[in-house]
Amino acid sequence: DIQMTQSPSSLSAFVGDRVTITCRASQDINNYLVWFQQKAGKAPKPLIYGASNLQSGVPSKFSGSGSGTDFTLIISSLQPEDFATYYCQQYRSYPLTFGGGTKVEIK
Amino acid sequence: DVQLVESGGGLVQPGGSLRISCAASGFIFSDHYMDWVRQAPGKGLEWVGRIRKKTNSYTTEYAAPVKGRFIISRDDSENSLYLQMSSLKTEDTAVYFCARVLVSGQHYYLDVWGKGTTVTVSS
Repeated sequence: DIQMTQSPSSLSAFVGDRVTITCRASQDINNYLVWFQQKAGKAPKPLIYGASNLQSGVPSKFSGSGSGTDFTLIISSLQPEDFATYYCQQYRSYPLTFGGGTKVEIK
Repeated sequence: DVQLVESGGGLVQPGGSLRISCAASGFIFSDHYMDWVRQAPGKGLEWVGRIRKKTNSYTTEYAAPVKGRFIISRDDSENSLYLQMSSLKTEDTAVYFCARVLVSGQHYYLDVWGKGTTVTVSS
């Protein structure tokens, strides 16, 4: 199975800060990676697919990059509504696997 | 509006069985692979399994912890997805989400999710 490791597991940042979350795959997954945002008590929502493609309707403050084993999600200017947990997921091979999540808190 | 609505969750004893459902609307259900994903209380997301569409013979994939105990099925005439769970364990306690698989070129990812149904396995 492909292990997905996210870091950090949590972070606290000010409104307006640039936030970076990383995700590392235990083997090459090309660019078969999606980033989700999940707010408390809600279903996950896709932000980025194919490692760098913005999902329709998602604001451009979210961006993704990477290929192979190392990936990054950036929130360019953190807003209060971005308080959430973020997950990466690989879909290169079965079983599909998620990272452990990064909880973003607003300072 | 594209929508997925899960139902059928509840309290079940260890070793018991339960079937949960997911009703789809607002899109052509039969055109899509469908997944189940679960989330234990206070934990992260865990993929459960997938069912492909008719043109792929409704084949399925499962995560190791549920393989042999859970069965995913679908009824395209009813726009419904099912998860039959048997030999339930306390560690199966979770919110269960159904999700649609969107295909964009070579990318197959979960683009629409239901709100989830809670399954609690406890004596």
